[in-house]
Amino acid sequence: QLQLQESGPGLVKPSETLSLTCTVSGGSISSSSYYWGWIRQPPGKGLEWIGSIYYSGSTYYNPSLKSRVTISVDTSKNQFSLKLSSVTAADTAVYYCARQPTVRGVMNWFDPWGQGTLVTVSS
Amino acid sequence: QSVLTQPPSVSGAPGQRVTISCTGSSSNIGAGYDVHWYQQLPGTAPKLLIYGNSNRPSGVPDRFSGSKSGTSASLAITGLQAEDEADYYCQSYDSSLSAPYVVFGGGTKLTVL
Repeated sequence: QLQLQESGPGLVKPSETLSLTCTVSGGSISSSSYYWGWIRQPPGKGLEWIGSIYYSGSTYYNPSLKSRVTISVDTSKNQFSLKLSSVTAADTAVYYCARQPTVRGVMNWFDPWGQGTLVTVSS
Repeated sequence: QSVLTQPPSVSGAPGQRVTISCTGSSSNIGAGYDVHWYQQLPGTAPKLLIYGNSNRPSGVPDRFSGSKSGTSASLAITGLQAEDEADYYCQSYDSSLSAPYVVFGGGTKLTVL
């Protein structure tokens, strides 16, 4: 079955750029039926959508993060990636990637999810 | 401040029925966009519980059900079990800005007494 796995540094310094990759296995990232999303969860807090990307490269971002976020896709590697610039301690969170079905252009539910990776912003 | 509003906590005794509300607005739930629900057990990734307002993925017990009306949605859990103790999140889609975006509720912690 489809599996997603996040990877990247677990510690990032303030003001630097957080970079994570999600590797998709058991299915193709190039399917026209899905978006691929990033969601984060600060310790002890709720879920926050960061953004989603279509295999063609079309992206949608959380308005509150848009100025700092870039999501890209590499269909040859079956991966998509997240870059979050100018990070602060407030960006410390577990970062998840997930698949997101789309119908008539609407981004729907997230399933399945990766296991998540904790990124700590600290000097 | 989440776009979708959920009660911070609910509780119930084993065997009882509990409901969790998710209140939105005319630009998300009220605009006709679907609501989806997730269950997050401690230390694990969220798991899809209900999609498209009321549909259960394969493997989710029929004790879990979802509904939607107007600008709100609800998750109901019947025959409460100790293993249901978890955080629950609702999610929808919003078109109030120049670009659409995904919205989550703040989450509800379910305690089984």
